[in-house]
Order: sequence, then structure tokens, then C-alpha cells
Amino acid sequence: QVQLQESGPGLVKPSQTLSLSCTVSGGSISTGLYYWGWIRQHPEKGLEWLGYIFHSGSTYFNPAFESRLTISPDTSKNQFSLSLTSVTAADTAVYFCVRSLGDSGTGVFDIWGQGTMVTVSS
Amino acid sequence: DIQMTQSPSTLPAFVGDRVTISCRASQTIRTYLAWYQQKPGKAPNLLIYKASTLETGVPSRFSGSGSGTEFALTISSLQPDDFAVYYCQQYYSSPWTFGQGTKVEI
Repeated sequence: QVQLQESGPGLVKPSQTLSLSCTVSGGSISTGLYYWGWIRQHPEKGLEWLGYIFHSGSTYFNPAFESRLTISPDTSKNQFSLSLTSVTAADTAVYFCVRSLGDSGTGVFDIWGQGTMVTVSS
Repeated sequence: DIQMTQSPSTLPAFVGDRVTISCRASQTIRTYLAWYQQKPGKAPNLLIYKASTLETGVPSRFSGSGSGTEFALTISSLQPDDFAVYYCQQYYSSPWTFGQGTKVEI
């Protein structure tokens, strides 16, 4: 059974870069069936899809974050990471790593990590 | 972006009730709609995709319907474990977007 686990700092200073990793167990991010990405949730704006990466390395982003967002794979560790630059208080949220189905189910998120709270504050 | 609007925001209910949550898309999304359940402190859990296809392991008391812009999630007989927040999400056009949630409460 595939499981996802987020890791990273819970506190980031304004204007700095938010970096998180997601470790995948029970499956490989290198298979050509799924997308691996990030969704965040905060009380004011609900759930927001940030972006995801395919096994080929192709990335797909929400345009609202595209200029600040990088998602990278680390196949040797079976992980993928998120990097969000120039953060503000508005980036304070719970960040979930997720798996999306492919083909006609692209954009359906069938597996989620438990989530990690990130606060942006000086 | 496609806007997803759920109603009601809060749904008081009793165990055993039949409840229906509505979700409206700002433009047609055909049947590219998913439903998720979220309990406090947990990640959302996929219930239904393609508007009416039940995810493996989800109880049959959950059902989804609709197409185009109007959708519904129905729980035929509410169980204690079903009190949670429910979200709809469209995956017809990127960026994928979610409704604001419906809290089913006792």
C-alpha cells in the first residue's frame, strides 16, 4: 500500500524559501502511471492545488504559483520535493503531498500524506 | 479558473438520515468531478471520482450524481463515522479546483 510522508521545517521567515520533501513508500515515483505533487489547505482559502510532477520529469503547476514554485524528483530516495520562494504570511497552511491518477483520472488525488503545518512568520 | 460552489456550508443531521450535498461548477466540467471526505486533523480521503464512480473500499451508502455543472453527493443512511467535511473538486480543466466544503454535523 502506497503511503506518503511529508517532512520539512514548520516555520519559515517571510521572503525566504519554503522547502518540503515527500517520501513515498510502497510504490515507486518512477512508474509511468501517476503524478506526484502538492496541495495546501488554510482556513481562508480552503484546498489549493499547487502542482505535480510526472515520472518523465515534466511538471505541471497552478499558474497562481508557477513563478515561485519548483517540484523536483529524487528517484534515488523515492522522494519528491517542493520549493516555494518569496513566502509571505499568506503561504501559511497545511501542506499535503499527494498522488494523482493518470490518464482519464489525471487530477484525481487518491493518496494523501498526513500533512505538515508550515507557518510563515518572523 | 473554474469555480466550485458547494451548498449548504453546514448540514445538521441525525444518524440514519439521508443527506445530499450539492456542488455547482462555474462552467461545464462534464463528469470530471471528485468528492473527498475530511475528518479533523486528517488529510482528505477520496470517495468518488468521475462524478459517480465509488473509490475502492468506500461504503455503498455513498453515491454521486450529476454532469455538466450540477452535481450531488448523497449519503443514504448517515453513520456516526460520516460526520466530517466534504469537498467536491473538478479535474476537467487545470488548475484543478475545490469547493469550499460542507460540514456534516450532528
